[in-house]
Amino acid sequence: GNSVTQMEGPVTLSEEAFLTINCTYTATGYPSLFWYVQYPGEGLQLLLKATKADDKGSNKGFEATYRKETTSFHLEKGSVQVSDSAVYFCALSYNQGGKLIFGQGTELSVKP
Amino acid sequence: SAVISQKPSRDICQRGTSLTIQCQVDSQVTMMFWYRQQPGQSLTLIATANQGSEATYESGFVIDKFPISRPNLTFSTLTVSNMSPEDSSIYLCSVDDWDTEYYGYTFGSGTRLTVV
Repeated sequence: GNSVTQMEGPVTLSEEAFLTINCTYTATGYPSLFWYVQYPGEGLQLLLKATKADDKGSNKGFEATYRKETTSFHLEKGSVQVSDSAVYFCALSYNQGGKLIFGQGTELSVKP
Repeated sequence: SAVISQKPSRDICQRGTSLTIQCQVDSQVTMMFWYRQQPGQSLTLIATANQGSEATYESGFVIDKFPISRPNLTFSTLTVSNMSPEDSSIYLCSVDDWDTEYYGYTFGSGTRLTVV
């Protein structure tokens, strides 16, 4: 079946460090891929998305590239800030009306 | 993107009682979804609600425990019935935003439920 696997957390980084959160998926066809962020005590916000192979999603300094050959959608940021501390969820969906399938989430903690 | 108002934001309930969660959207949407996020866990879809039809439940979730209403294209409710401490979770509604350039899913801020 379809599934999403993320690297386990928590991930602890110092401010201005480089961030990578790995995400791989198992799916048939060509799903759309998403990264959502959940700040402490809040709901989910869409961070970025990609809808086809080789697309790069980007937002707020975060980037992720849809790699069909490696079935991956790794999240990267060149220089993290304390305000980036949150839980990050990778997810996939097939089409309008299709459910989101989430990874287990990766908690990021950025220290000053 | 659509803006969702979800109420209540949090509640503490006695076991055996029921809680109804409301989700109001500022625009008409076709699909509405209800998710559960158990403590420290990822999100799991409970059911999908279309206006004018019965909700479609995922495996492991039943209508008697989680009845859903979808009276129009901007509103839905989820009821958590006969609650037990195992129902303590965050419940989130989500809407299908794929008709707009936003192209994705928007989530409400969630309802943090504690059952004592």
